[in-house]
Amino acid sequence: EAQVTQNPRYLITVTGKKLTVTCSQNMNHEYMSWYRQDPGLGLRQIYYSMNVEVTDKGDVPEGYKVSRKEKRNFPLILESPSPNQTSLYFCASSPLGTGVTYEQYFGPGTRLTVT
Amino acid sequence: AQTVTQSQPEMSVQEAETVTLSCTYDTSESDYYLFWYKQPPSRQMILVIRQEAYKQQNATENRFSVNFQKAAKSFSLKISDSQLGDAAMYFCAYRGTSYGKLTFGQGTILTVHP
Repeated sequence: EAQVTQNPRYLITVTGKKLTVTCSQNMNHEYMSWYRQDPGLGLRQIYYSMNVEVTDKGDVPEGYKVSRKEKRNFPLILESPSPNQTSLYFCASSPLGTGVTYEQYFGPGTRLTVT
Repeated sequence: AQTVTQSQPEMSVQEAETVTLSCTYDTSESDYYLFWYKQPPSRQMILVIRQEAYKQQNATENRFSVNFQKAAKSFSLKISDSQLGDAAMYFCAYRGTSYGKLTFGQGTILTVHP
């Protein structure tokens, strides 16, 4: 089954304790992205990647890191989480190139609470 | 920068009736894509319908259709014969030709009354 997976689905942590949210897709998509969803703000892009070893900042990159060492994986790293990073996080992927619809496929979401 | 605005934080509709959700966007690009995503209580993001800006014909998917007004930069979603399962948060989204980010609106919560 074609899908985007994220782990963990739920995470409660304390301020300053480094954490990683994993994201993996099995559709051989070049493009991957992380979003955070907050009430009244919709989804905002954190980071994105056009291909292996190619990443760039989105609208709200502060406090986050990413890496893309393999095409299928795109982990999100919070080196020193703070309460304002409490949010719902989504990973997404899509193909690139001519003839594609640029639809993004989303993972199930990760609910992060930082106390 | 592109912006997407959904001016209706909440909407409600009676089962079997029709409802229209509004979306406007701002862009200087001529070629782009527009999407409506549905987010039920499970939080999963589900694509409802897409529209390519170069196509004049409005997209339709079963009970879902859009009214795409390129000059007015408007992209509304019409849900016909509303069902209880349509109750969800709906997001309008824009994607330009830079292949980059999907810019989302704030979302509209749709309630369907039996």
